[in-house]
Amino acid sequence: QSVLTQPPTASGTPGQRVSISCSGSSSNIGRNYVYWYQQFPGTAPKLLIYRNNQRPSGVPDRFSGSKSGTSASLAISGLRSEDEADYYCSSWDDSLSGWVFGGGTKLTVL
Amino acid sequence: QVQLVESGGGVVQPGRSLRLSCAASGFTFSIYGMHWVRQAPGKGLEWVALIWSDGSNKYYVDSVKGRFTVSRDNSKNTLYLQMNSLRAEDAAVYYCARDLSVVVGLTEGFDYWGQGTLVTVSS
Repeated sequence: QSVLTQPPTASGTPGQRVSISCSGSSSNIGRNYVYWYQQFPGTAPKLLIYRNNQRPSGVPDRFSGSKSGTSASLAISGLRSEDEADYYCSSWDDSLSGWVFGGGTKLTVL
Repeated sequence: QVQLVESGGGVVQPGRSLRLSCAASGFTFSIYGMHWVRQAPGKGLEWVALIWSDGSNKYYVDSVKGRFTVSRDNSKNTLYLQMNSLRAEDAAVYYCARDLSVVVGLTEGFDYWGQGTLVTVSS
């Protein structure tokens, strides 16, 4: 049982916009930044979004993040087949004094 | 370019110990906090430990407290994870990851990851 809650699956067709939610609490998302990671099978995760809505250099602007209260979301616009991957949200938890992750969302491009 | 290379994984019996290493290059290792994050086969990511850049503070997930110890040698640009009293549930790919922040006492997520090293716990 993960501290942050994500839907296990999401899907969309090429060109579509999809959104992945991440729900937490006042001790994590409510007080701290949210980060998003992309992971392809058999490879290490890659930072996609930091500080709720900032993109590292090299990440396409098709990817965007937002946060409101104790929830956050990752949006992918202009969906492409190469976006098919697992996506994880993460935040620091003040009560646990540690980082917590969502259970991950497997994105399928139909 | 930033490189993180883990080593030390393998097959170990329950109750035994293992030490993982992470060799860093391409950046000033001594000014960054470092993490260990693990992923059990077919499962999601789980943060394991954080050590500040100067090694003065360490944080652990509850499930490994008292069994795992994170350390670093800034003169060798290397991060370590000493794992004792290993359990079946510790089996995972262990990644080392660099913290985004260079401010001591501030942690801001993981911007670079190694390729991971597999730990299997089995009798």
